[in-house]
Amino acid sequence: NAGVTQTPKFQVLKTGQSMTLQCAQDMNHNSMYWYRQDPGMGLRLIYYSASEGTTDKGEVPNGYNVSRLNKREFSLRLESAAPSQTSVYFCASSPGGVTGNYGYTFGSGTRLTVV
Amino acid sequence: SQQGEEDPQALSIQEGENATMNCSYKTSINNLQWYRQNSGRGLVHLILIRSNEREKHSGRLRVTLDTSKKSSSLLITASRAADTASYFCATAPISSNTGKLIFGQGTTLQVKP
Repeated sequence: NAGVTQTPKFQVLKTGQSMTLQCAQDMNHNSMYWYRQDPGMGLRLIYYSASEGTTDKGEVPNGYNVSRLNKREFSLRLESAAPSQTSVYFCASSPGGVTGNYGYTFGSGTRLTVV
Repeated sequence: SQQGEEDPQALSIQEGENATMNCSYKTSINNLQWYRQNSGRGLVHLILIRSNEREKHSGRLRVTLDTSKKSSSLLITASRAADTASYFCATAPISSNTGKLIFGQGTTLQVKP
């Protein structure tokens, strides 16, 4: 099925451990995004990639890094996990463009707990 | 900071009734979008309304946009138990040249059978 695939779906980390969240889309979309969702906070943008070869910081980038590996894949890395990074992480993609006149397609999320 | 703010935060209605959710935003936009999120799932795009549009329909959904008041509403008519979900508005600010969206905090809708 076409869409956005995120792995893993669940993860428990110890404080200080590192991990990479993987995201892949098969819709030939140009733009990809990483959001985190916390109770009462809605979705907050961590990083985005407007097109292959570019990445930019969003609203809450501290503690994260990203890699746009190719047009299909956009990974999010936590170098040294902290309890404040406990959250649900969503990857999304869209055809892109400066006006953003396209809906996003979201993955099913990664539920991360840092203990 | 969040661009969009939904109102109410929570809404509980009976099946068959209409549900109205509102969204206010702060800056000029290219478009405004509504998404649905079922419990434990990802967000699903429902409808997009451009800044030069005032009303848009999709099935049982009706969206209005008032750019002078910087507000939008989502109306779900003849609600069903399956409409139980959280609904988010998202805006594409004109100031962004990358089309990224800013999401509000959402409205949780419960439709009782």
